[in-house]
Amino acid sequence: AQSVAQPEDQVNVAEGNPLTVKCTYSVSGNPYLFWYVQYPNRGLQFLLKYITGDNLVKGSYGFEAEFNKSQTSFHLKKPSALVSDSALYFCAVRDAGNTPLVFGKGTRLSVIA
Amino acid sequence: GAVVSQHPSWVICKSGTSVKIECRSLDFQATTMFWYRQFPKQSLMLMATSNEGSKATYEQGVEKDKFLINHASLTLSTLTVTSAHPEDSSFYICSARWPHYPNTGELFFGEGSRLTVL
Repeated sequence: AQSVAQPEDQVNVAEGNPLTVKCTYSVSGNPYLFWYVQYPNRGLQFLLKYITGDNLVKGSYGFEAEFNKSQTSFHLKKPSALVSDSALYFCAVRDAGNTPLVFGKGTRLSVIA
Repeated sequence: GAVVSQHPSWVICKSGTSVKIECRSLDFQATTMFWYRQFPKQSLMLMATSNEGSKATYEQGVEKDKFLINHASLTLSTLTVTSAHPEDSSFYICSARWPHYPNTGELFFGEGSRLTVL
């Protein structure tokens, strides 16, 4: 069975500094990996995904994520954080079969001006 | 990207009544939709997988008679919380799987429905 771990409940970063939100996964076979963002009282918005190809994936709003197979990680990064990036971030994984996405518990990002 | 619309966004009801939440895929046909429940400051809990034209598949621990799911068309799935009680108060989110190639399982989410049962 697949699983996702987001080891940090909360990440605080100053505006303009780089940010990293960590995610590790466990899945049988090749993983399909996703990052979503959720603003208060809203649904989830898709940020980016890794299916195959380049390990560095670029997504919406300047975010990117690096797939590391040996470390089974898919950390979300942004070179320069904005206050508006403050939100709840979810990592998700599925295998290549017709299975639902499995979500991590979420990491709350706070960007301080 | 694809658009999923969820209605209502907010609903307050009395204990014992039933509430229906609709989830529509606006610009694509979704043979599979998923219903999630999110408790405050927690992750999404998958409740059930809704399949067009067939019975929903419920996750372990989710009461089928309590949370009725109907997926009568390729663009509409509904979740009915029957005989709601205060413990059913939560944020319910639907999502639809992009059906076309490449089928990477990417989900598009509705805006969520906050249910408060008094």
